[in-house]
Amino acid sequence: QLQLQESGPGLVKPSETLSLTCTVSGGSISSNSYFWGWLRQPPGKGLEWIATIYYTGTTYYNPSLKSRLTISVDTSKNQFSLKLSSVSAADTAVYYCARHKQLVLDAWFDPWGPGALVTVSS
Amino acid sequence: SYELTQPPSVSVSPGQTASITCSGDKLGDKYASWYQQRPGQSPVLVIYQDTKRPSGIPERFSGSNSGNTATLTISGTQAMDEADYYCQAWDKSTAVFGGGTKLTVL
Repeated sequence: QLQLQESGPGLVKPSETLSLTCTVSGGSISSNSYFWGWLRQPPGKGLEWIATIYYTGTTYYNPSLKSRLTISVDTSKNQFSLKLSSVSAADTAVYYCARHKQLVLDAWFDPWGPGALVTVSS
Repeated sequence: SYELTQPPSVSVSPGQTASITCSGDKLGDKYASWYQQRPGQSPVLVIYQDTKRPSGIPERFSGSNSGNTATLTISGTQAMDEADYYCQAWDKSTAVFGGGTKLTVL
């Protein structure tokens, strides 16, 4: 059974860089059938897709966040990571990683990790 | 950028049918997915490719998509179905989510 687990600091100072890692277990991140995604949910608000990566390094980014984003994959560790720079209080959210099934005109996310709350505060 | 619109809330009596809509420009030309999120939990995929149910999702969950509207239908709604529901589509290499609908089972 595939499982994903987010990890990283729960508190980040404004203007600094938020860094999270997702560890995949029960399956290979190098599967040629799936991409891997990051999503977030501010407290009490809805879901927002952040970015997606394939094990070869192909990436998709949310245009509204692209200038601050870096996403990477480490196949040797079965992990993928997110870096979001110049954070502000608006970036406070629960951050989820998820497996991303990508077709030509379609994509969905399943399963999701339990989520990691990241608070941006001095 | 593409937008998906959902009603903020829907109420249903136990055993009745709940319908949650998701509207977007020519959404019927794309595929819609739906996620259930219970309080304090991660989202769970309940419908993908408009009508398909992942393994383990009860048959009472069904979906449709035509024109500008995708619909998630829950037949014989149970108390355990009370949750937030989000629609999602893929547009120009971007995943887009609706704002979410809180389903209350009264």
